[in-house]
Amino acid sequence: GAVVSQHPSRVICKSGTSVKIECRSLDFQATTMFWYRQFPKQSLMLMATSNEGSKATYEQGVEKDKFLINHASLTLSTLTVTSAHPEDSSFYICSARDPTTGGNYGYTFGSGTRLTVV
Amino acid sequence: GENVEQHPSTLSVQEGDSAVIKCTYSDSASNYFPWYKQELGKRPQLIIDIRSNVGEKKDQRIAVTLNKTAKHFSLHITETQPEDSAVYFCAASIVWGNQFYFGTGTSLTVIP
Repeated sequence: GAVVSQHPSRVICKSGTSVKIECRSLDFQATTMFWYRQFPKQSLMLMATSNEGSKATYEQGVEKDKFLINHASLTLSTLTVTSAHPEDSSFYICSARDPTTGGNYGYTFGSGTRLTVV
Repeated sequence: GENVEQHPSTLSVQEGDSAVIKCTYSDSASNYFPWYKQELGKRPQLIIDIRSNVGEKKDQRIAVTLNKTAKHFSLHITETQPEDSAVYFCAASIVWGNQFYFGTGTSLTVIP
């Protein structure tokens, strides 16, 4: 089945620094990837839709200058949290859809990244 | 846009009993409804899904029902086991649409 790899799984960074999270589709080409943020004991909140070769589409309330998304190839999307602050600490999960399995039937999640900003 | 509500937020059952989680959605265009199980710190895993042309689907101890008219769908877990303890999310989407809309999650605890 479709596999989405996310790296790193955990990262601790100092306040003010930037952190890059990678999301890779391992066995399929994903023209669209999605980035979610999840607070403890809360649901998945869609942050942005990453489109290969074009600008990402951000959800209302998500700062695009703070959460930079780059989808440079059909298998890789990156989320960079710039000038991170403690309130950015969260669980970030990417997902992708394998178009060969038929639309959203092939929706798969990455393993998530636990970001802690100290 | 779509709005998905999920109840209850927490659920405790004795091992062997059944658990039921309910979701409602608002957009009649939604036609694909997956359920995900998420263990602490891990990725959500698809456990069952249903399309709008089907009223019920079953996979061993797990079943999902859909009422399109009322715009609600439910997850049923029978003969619960401790390993069923996790957070469960429902979602609504359009099969060829762009995104999923997730419910707020249900934390299920199965007491041995």
